[in-house]
Amino acid sequence: DNVLPQSPTTMAASPGEKVTITCHASSSGIYMNWHQQKSGTSPKLWIYDTSKLASGVPDRFSGSGSGTSYFLTINTMETEDAATYYCQQCCGTPPITFGSGTKLEIK
Amino acid sequence: EVKLVESGGGLVQPGRSLKLSCAASGFSFNDYWMGWVRQAPGKGLEWIGEINQDSSAIKYSPSLKDKFTISRDNAQNTLYLQMSKLGSEDTAIYYCVREELGVDYWGQGVMVTVSS
Repeated sequence: DNVLPQSPTTMAASPGEKVTITCHASSSGIYMNWHQQKSGTSPKLWIYDTSKLASGVPDRFSGSGSGTSYFLTINTMETEDAATYYCQQCCGTPPITFGSGTKLEIK
Repeated sequence: EVKLVESGGGLVQPGRSLKLSCAASGFSFNDYWMGWVRQAPGKGLEWIGEINQDSSAIKYSPSLKDKFTISRDNAQNTLYLQMSKLGSEDTAIYYCVREELGVDYWGQGVMVTVSS
């Protein structure tokens, strides 16, 4: 199956701590997006086109990367940021591929 | 406001078929690619496939293409997912998604449980 590896799989961060999640992308993709999913709810687009924040996303979040390595960073962790984050690559083969997910918990 | 509302899920016996619908509103439906994503209980997201604006291009995940058929009715602003020969491995929440350089909007999802 086409699944982009993410690291770490799970992690816990204290309030105020800096968090970085890595997505190992396929070389065939073009755009990288990130989605946030909280327990029992549908995912939401969080970051699109590598580094652009979706509407309503706090500016403590940022996205970066190129080639086959992409990153989601939270500058200062807050309680409400606890969720599972999925990277998602577009426009390669297959057209859409998701990452394996990173579960972020508050310490 | 973009809204995607799935329906048609439920309990289905192994080997049977099921058709899901997704009612779209709040945007010009016939301007967008649309797709389906599923999530098995406690698992990650799995892209199923997508359909372009006039149904002339339909693409599927290579591992799933023999089980699913995606279609749309632009007059009704509705997307469909026909599922066949269902097995326990197809038990999942099925999400309707809008696509714009990837997924940009998600429906609330509909649960499909395959069990005898």
